[in-house]
Amino acid sequence: EAGVTQSPTHLIKTRGQQATLRCSPISGHTSVYWYQQALGLGLQFLLWYDEGEERNRGNFPPRFSGRQFPNYSSELNVNALELEDSALYLCASKSGTLEAFFGQGTRLTVV
Amino acid sequence: SQQGEEDPQALSIQEGENATMNCSYKTSINNLQWYRQNSGRGLVHLILIRSNEREKHSGRLRVTLDTSKKSSSLLITASRAADTASYFCATTQPGSGGSYIPTFGRGTSLIVHP
Repeated sequence: EAGVTQSPTHLIKTRGQQATLRCSPISGHTSVYWYQQALGLGLQFLLWYDEGEERNRGNFPPRFSGRQFPNYSSELNVNALELEDSALYLCASKSGTLEAFFGQGTRLTVV
Repeated sequence: SQQGEEDPQALSIQEGENATMNCSYKTSINNLQWYRQNSGRGLVHLILIRSNEREKHSGRLRVTLDTSKKSSSLLITASRAADTASYFCATTQPGSGGSYIPTFGRGTSLIVHP
């Protein structure tokens, strides 16, 4: 069974540009979570999607947005990139209250 | 804000020794989970303990949960160099809205010297 897959693995963007990150959950999982992990820090919750709808978002500005598609895959969009957006972005999927399964992450570098 | 806080922030031990990491949290939980992260990669789920459980084992891992103290510990016995990684605890809280969002601490960085 395939795990959570994220693409791309690495992404380099220029300040002010937009970045799109993608995530495919484990088959059967309807919930997708996005986290930001800046260098040396813990995981900061970004967004939670379930059954195609945004259920909750963390303390991030509106230029962080996303969506979940009918097949439960998800996109994270970051507009007007700033240098401090450079981080590892992790996607996780889960079913109900059980453990979350993470992808390998997308390393976003803003220059 | 962080729900869970791991302690210590960093731990350096010799191969064969035991490693103990602690996690404290602030509010009631549904369950608590421990994850491992190798060098800036994705997180790997290690073990989940429910709020009505006190201890769980998985191989060389032993997790305890004390809901009265709002704390958990992860013990890795007979550590190996391959255990070198960052370890995070995550909790999910009961209630509506954000009840299923795993909330992470800042992690403990473990180095096991061969």
